[in-house]
Amino acid sequence: DTGVSQDPRHKITKRGQNVTFRCDPISEHNRLYWYRQTLGQGPEFLTYFQNEAQLEKSRLLSDRFSAERPKGSFSTLEIQRTEQGDSAMYLCASRGLNTEAFFGQGTRLTVV
Amino acid sequence: AQSVSQHNHHVILSEAASLELGCNYSYGGTVNLFWYVQYPGQHLQLLLKYFSGDPLVKGIKGFEAEFIKSKFSFNLRKPSVQWSDTAEYFCAENAKGGSQGNLIFGKGTKLSVKP
Repeated sequence: DTGVSQDPRHKITKRGQNVTFRCDPISEHNRLYWYRQTLGQGPEFLTYFQNEAQLEKSRLLSDRFSAERPKGSFSTLEIQRTEQGDSAMYLCASRGLNTEAFFGQGTRLTVV
Repeated sequence: AQSVSQHNHHVILSEAASLELGCNYSYGGTVNLFWYVQYPGQHLQLLLKYFSGDPLVKGIKGFEAEFIKSKFSFNLRKPSVQWSDTAEYFCAENAKGGSQGNLIFGKGTKLSVKP
């Protein structure tokens, strides 16, 4: 499969724990995005990388959230001290120049 | 703030009925517009996109959309829906009209097609 892959697909964690998600974009795409989607809403932008540089962060990305893309390939999104309000689907997407965004299947996080 | 509005939360149609889903965007400059579809249990997939040129855009599976700049609209249409079109549909535009940045999505319209 040469699409965007995300791992894990599902994560259940206790409130206060840290979680980390991984995204592997389409290999030739230099831009990578993280979105969050809650029930009844469209995806909401969290952060964006061009190669290894994090170019933009949304106000939604509190200081408990951190994202990296160390070698300009895969990316990780970490949430520290999870809260119940963090429960959502976390989506990763990648884009090439003047193309549409290609999305992964997402990681569904449930904080109990 | 830049936003995308989708007028219908849930649309229920019978097979062979015609479909039109409304989408309005707010950005006043050059826009890149998209319709994505999410079938049950699957990831978001692109139906069609508008970057420039002919305002009537043809997509996959018989879908089309018309960009009307004066109305800030990009409505999705299909003349005859099938049961397999049951899915959630999202309209999106590039933030600040660029091609580099993130997408701004509407809240989505759930389409249920009765066989």
